[in-house]
Amino acid sequence: DAMVIQNPRYQVTQFGKPVTLSCSQTLNHNVMYWYQQKSSQAPKLLFHYYDKDFNNEADTPDNFQSRRPNTSFCFLDIRSPGLGDAAMYLCATSKNLADYNEQFFGPGTRLTVL
Amino acid sequence: GEDVEQSLFLSVREGDSSVINCTYTDSSSTYLYWYKQEPGAGLQLLTYIFSNMDMKQDQRLTVLLNKKDKHLSLRIADTQTGDSAIYFCAESNSGGYQKVTFGIGTKLQVIP
Repeated sequence: DAMVIQNPRYQVTQFGKPVTLSCSQTLNHNVMYWYQQKSSQAPKLLFHYYDKDFNNEADTPDNFQSRRPNTSFCFLDIRSPGLGDAAMYLCATSKNLADYNEQFFGPGTRLTVL
Repeated sequence: GEDVEQSLFLSVREGDSSVINCTYTDSSSTYLYWYKQEPGAGLQLLTYIFSNMDMKQDQRLTVLLNKKDKHLSLRIADTQTGDSAIYFCAESNSGGYQKVTFGIGTKLQVIP
């Protein structure tokens, strides 16, 4: 089945130690997104790629970076994780950017910062 | 900016109808969505409605949109235990980048 896969499902890192979360998709979609979701809060968009074009949300901290080496893979790099970065990180895809924007989500990676 | 609000929790008995409500602030919303998230899984699109419609029915699901009041609801008829999940309301607008804004999600608990 075509899907969005996130690895690992659970990630523990130390305060200030760089961490990378990965996402892959078999849907061949043009757009990939990263969301941060904290407990009892709405998923918050960090950035998205349309093909190779990177689009950062205005309020995404500089600590968060992303790479998309090819259509299938997208990575979220947190350069110096703080305690406030502990959250669920959701990867999503959509076929294109259009008025009707159905997004397909992975199961998420729960990040713990010690 | 855009804002989508919904209550955190709803509990219903199996066989009853569930109604999950949502309000949004963006008057230029063109599509409104309901996503379902089951435990351990990603969000999955359940249904959507275009802003020029006021109702959409799909089997047990009925979506009502009051554009004047910016109010969206999802009614699940004959609620089953398998409907227990978190339901996210979301909206997107036209023009430029069609960013989707999500609500916090309503956790639906179905009591057998």
